[in-house]
Amino acid sequence: DTAVSQTPKYLVTQMGNDKSIKCEQNLGHDTMYWYKQDSKKFLKIMFSYNNKELIINETVPNRFSPKSPDKAHLNLHINSLELGDSAVYFCASSQGYLAGGGEETQYFGPGTRLLVL
Amino acid sequence: KNEVEQSPQNLTAQEGEFITINCSYSVGISALHWLQQHPGGGIVSLFMLSSGKKKHGRLIATINIQEKHSSLHITASHPRDSAVYICAVKGEYGNKLVFGAGTILRVKS
Repeated sequence: DTAVSQTPKYLVTQMGNDKSIKCEQNLGHDTMYWYKQDSKKFLKIMFSYNNKELIINETVPNRFSPKSPDKAHLNLHINSLELGDSAVYFCASSQGYLAGGGEETQYFGPGTRLLVL
Repeated sequence: KNEVEQSPQNLTAQEGEFITINCSYSVGISALHWLQQHPGGGIVSLFMLSSGKKKHGRLIATINIQEKHSSLHITASHPRDSAVYICAVKGEYGNKLVFGAGTILRVKS
């Protein structure tokens, strides 16, 4: 059973298009995240949701809009795609938000490779 | 300067060697993660620790909170250990992770 799944795995699209990436976790976790890994393999958090509520929103362009229909899903919609959006996007989940001791493991999805032409 | 620094950036070892990867951070943290990213791109969480030492198989992670430093050790390294090892710290408040740039490890047979 896949713990954190993302679709699609690969996405090739033209500049200016709008696209969505979907993420689902079957771990019963309360918190989900979107990370971006750039061409230098540097990971950076974009968003975090806890029980469908946005709790972390880094300095990400307004063209990126996360949507959490329920706590098992966190989708990422990107409007007007730009060349610089090309990256690997990882979804992750963990149990809890302000958990005591901070001892929480994050479980990552397989990543979605986005290429904007 | 990044809040999380890893060294070395690249490491090549012979099979069987003992390997150490270092992580230093400059902020107050509640936990530190070690992650492994396989050549295919998948990310796996290896350890999460907030004090002391943890061991899993041939992997050992230690953390010194006072010195703001953590090490990941691999004993009896094997070519299948070849991957990028990433250190990430969780701040004292909230669940945000700040990542190091990663250490590219290559173990030759």
